[in-house]
Amino acid sequence: NAGVTQTPKFQVLKTGQSMTLQCAQDMNHEYMSWYRQDPGMGLRLIHYSVGAGITDQGEVPNGYNVSRSTTEDFPLRLLSAAPSQTSVYFCASSYGIYPQLTGKDPGGYTFGSGTRLTVV
Amino acid sequence: SQKIEQNSEALNIQEGKTATLTCNYTNYSPAYLQWYRQDPGRGPVFLLLIRENEKEKRKERLKVTFDTTLKQSLFHITASQPADSATYLCAPGYSSASKIIFGSGTRLSIRP
Repeated sequence: NAGVTQTPKFQVLKTGQSMTLQCAQDMNHEYMSWYRQDPGMGLRLIHYSVGAGITDQGEVPNGYNVSRSTTEDFPLRLLSAAPSQTSVYFCASSYGIYPQLTGKDPGGYTFGSGTRLTVV
Repeated sequence: SQKIEQNSEALNIQEGKTATLTCNYTNYSPAYLQWYRQDPGRGPVFLLLIRENEKEKRKERLKVTFDTTLKQSLFHITASQPADSATYLCAPGYSSASKIIFGSGTRLSIRP
């Protein structure tokens, strides 16, 4: 049981390049989300998904796209990298934070180990 | 919009004492509140969840309280150890929303 797997762990991009950060979970969690964390700051929500085929924007969605074609995978795409996107990116999943939809008690997030992205 | 406030300054505690961290929220009362621990270079790890109808929740040396009148949750670590040194994050959850927003965290240092 691997939990939440993020790849790559480190990446350096040039301004204007695009790339996809991968996130996969094997816990059959319905809820997945992407956060970024900058030095001295907390986690800021980029995008999230309550199930396959459903995504929505978080606090800081500009410059990022997501899709959720399967329950297991939730990739984050940087369309045209900018230095302001230099950050540590975390993917997280949960079986349910929304009891009315899932019928389950809300559970805590399981986080991946993060991707450290530098845009030069 | 909802604001989540945690002590931005680091908290330094002598080993063996009880550490108390605060999480304040504004406006809407959450249906539940989660607490996480984050070590440098790692993702947060879920510790405890307390629901709005629970006053207190315990897990080993950890205790969380939830006061909807004060709009505040307190996180206690009793008999603190240097290994408890980390950043602790709170995250309120709302029954009408499907996203979790985190506080900026409080860095806790336990000195021997």
